[in-house]
Formats: sequence, C-alpha cells, structure tokens
Amino acid sequence: QQQVRQSPQSLTVWEGETTILNCSYEDSTFDYFPWYRQFPGKSPALLIAISLVSNKKEDGRFTIFFNKREKKLSLHITDSQPGDSATYFCAASGSSGSWQLIFGSGTQLTVMP
Amino acid sequence: DAGVTQTPRHEVAEKGQTIILKCEPVSGHNDLFWYRQTKIQGLELLSYFRSKSLMEDGGAFKDRFKAEMLNSSFSTLKIQPTEPKDSAVYLCASSLPRGLDEQYFGPGTRLTVL
Repeated sequence: QQQVRQSPQSLTVWEGETTILNCSYEDSTFDYFPWYRQFPGKSPALLIAISLVSNKKEDGRFTIFFNKREKKLSLHITDSQPGDSATYFCAASGSSGSWQLIFGSGTQLTVMP
Repeated sequence: DAGVTQTPRHEVAEKGQTIILKCEPVSGHNDLFWYRQTKIQGLELLSYFRSKSLMEDGGAFKDRFKAEMLNSSFSTLKIQPTEPKDSAVYLCASSLPRGLDEQYFGPGTRLTVL
C-alpha cells in the first residue's frame, strides 16, 4: 500500500529547462512534506520542505507547489543543471504517525548538458 | 560536528549468517531510524526509536530483523539469518524529535548476501 506516490519514475531534461516532479498522498493526517535529494552513491539529504499551512515554498531554483484539496505536490526546478542529476524523494509525515517519514519511490532525474 | 556514522560500510555474508550493523546518531538527536534501500522497493522503514524506545518495528521485517538502541548514542541492527534477498543498502538516520526536523542520514552499509 503506497501512501506517497511519485511520478514520473525517471525523467531526462536538457540543461536550462524547468523540471517538474510530481507527488501525491492519501493520508489526510499528513501535514509535513519534505523533499530529499540523493546523488548517486550518496545518502539522501533534505532539499526543501513544506507544511500544510503553505501553498508554495521557494528556495533558489527549487519551488514546491501544494494543492491541498487534491493532495498533490510538485517540485519545480528552474534552469536545470547537470549537477541537479539525482534521485528526488517526496516524503510525508504527520503527528498521527509519530512523525515518521513515509517516502515515495523516487524520481530519477538526469539533466543533459 | 559529527554526522551519523555507520559501520561497516560494506558487508558480505553467506546465506544463513548473522550480521550486525552499527549506527551512531548525531549527538543530541533523540529519534533514530533504520531504513533499507533497494532499487525496486525504494526506502523502507525497518525500525524507529524515540529516546531509545521502539516506536515502530517495521511490520514485515519483524521476524529476522532486530534493531536495538542500548544507549542514546549507539544502535545496532541484527539480521538473523541472512538471505540473499536481504542484499541492499541499510541506512541509519537521526533527527530531533520535533516532527518538522530534518532526518540526517548516515553513509549506509552495503550488504551483499551470497
């Protein structure tokens, strides 16, 4: 039973394009949604996060858009760079689950120069 | 400031062996998580401790996987007996117990079971 779904599974874009990664969830008690980034051969690390009180969170070239009604989020990467090539995980947590993170299956992004 | 440390970094085991993986969380972190990562299944939670108390034991992983946290600065994950399907990267992560805090991941242990 997948509580957090991500699409696409993999994506290739050209340098300079805007990348859009999608995430959806089912549990209405989730209220915190971090995105983790994992470079090949490395461990995941927090990239950016949003909570239920916001519709949008921006950090440099990375922006999360949040549609609470549809339980959907998207991570936009503007001016994508080859150095952004990594796997991106959407995650969710809520107080009902003792704040443990439920991870999606990830989107593998490749940015071509 | 030391991050999460895990040992060993690589482990090769024969089927049926017992292996113990070790993790030291970031100093002052009260939450500790063990995950298994494979290409097919992604990141799967094995165990979750808060202030050394087991909060989540990973359901399907209960029978051969046992995580312990004997003190606030050290945790082990025992797999007994190992099976080839256990081949994966085992990640340990820690965080402050405030719900919205970042989980810091260790470098992982790559386990290969022959």
